[in-house]
Amino acid sequence: DAGVIQSPRHEVTEMGQEVTLRCKPISGHDYLFWYRQTMMRGLELLIYFNNNVPIDDSGMPEDRFSAKMPNASFSTLKIQPSEPRDSAVYFCASSFSQRNTGELFFGEGSRLTVL
Amino acid sequence: GQQLNQSPQSMFIQEGEDVSMNCTSSSIFNTWLWYKQDPGEGPVLLIALYKAGELTSNGRLTAQFGITRKDSFLNISASIPSDVGIYFCAGQRTNAGKSTFGDGTTLTVKP
Repeated sequence: DAGVIQSPRHEVTEMGQEVTLRCKPISGHDYLFWYRQTMMRGLELLIYFNNNVPIDDSGMPEDRFSAKMPNASFSTLKIQPSEPRDSAVYFCASSFSQRNTGELFFGEGSRLTVL
Repeated sequence: GQQLNQSPQSMFIQEGEDVSMNCTSSSIFNTWLWYKQDPGEGPVLLIALYKAGELTSNGRLTAQFGITRKDSFLNISASIPSDVGIYFCAGQRTNAGKSTFGDGTTLTVKP
């Protein structure tokens, strides 16, 4: 059974460019989460969805960040325009509420470097 | 907002030693989870705890859900080099949807 799939694994871009990170959750999972990990701030929750609907986006740093989930099998996190301080590893995770275990299944992450 | 205090922040130990780390919170959680993150990977669940006082083992790992529901600890016995990584605790309330993560404990094991 495939896990959470993220792309790209690595992205290097220049300041001001648009960045789009993609995520395919585990089939059947109804929650999807976007996290950002840096040395300074650790693992931060940016936004999460339930049944494709954004529930809490209070962790989104600013208007340059946006996330969408057009269907149950796909989500994007977009940064426009990107800045060097956005450099981080971005994780997508999914979970299945009906199991009621609280377990999150993480993807392998997208490492973003903004020059 | 809710905050988890995880300690220690990092540990440098010799292979074969036991390891202990813990998480405390100012608020109650109904579920405690411990994850491990290997270098270059996403966190993976090690142990989940659902009841106050619960003690659960997974191989050389043992975790406990504190009686007050505001803390949890993780022990690793007889550490080996592949135990290297970042260990995260996470707390969740029933029907909360999201988990609150600690800042992680970075474990280094010297052969």
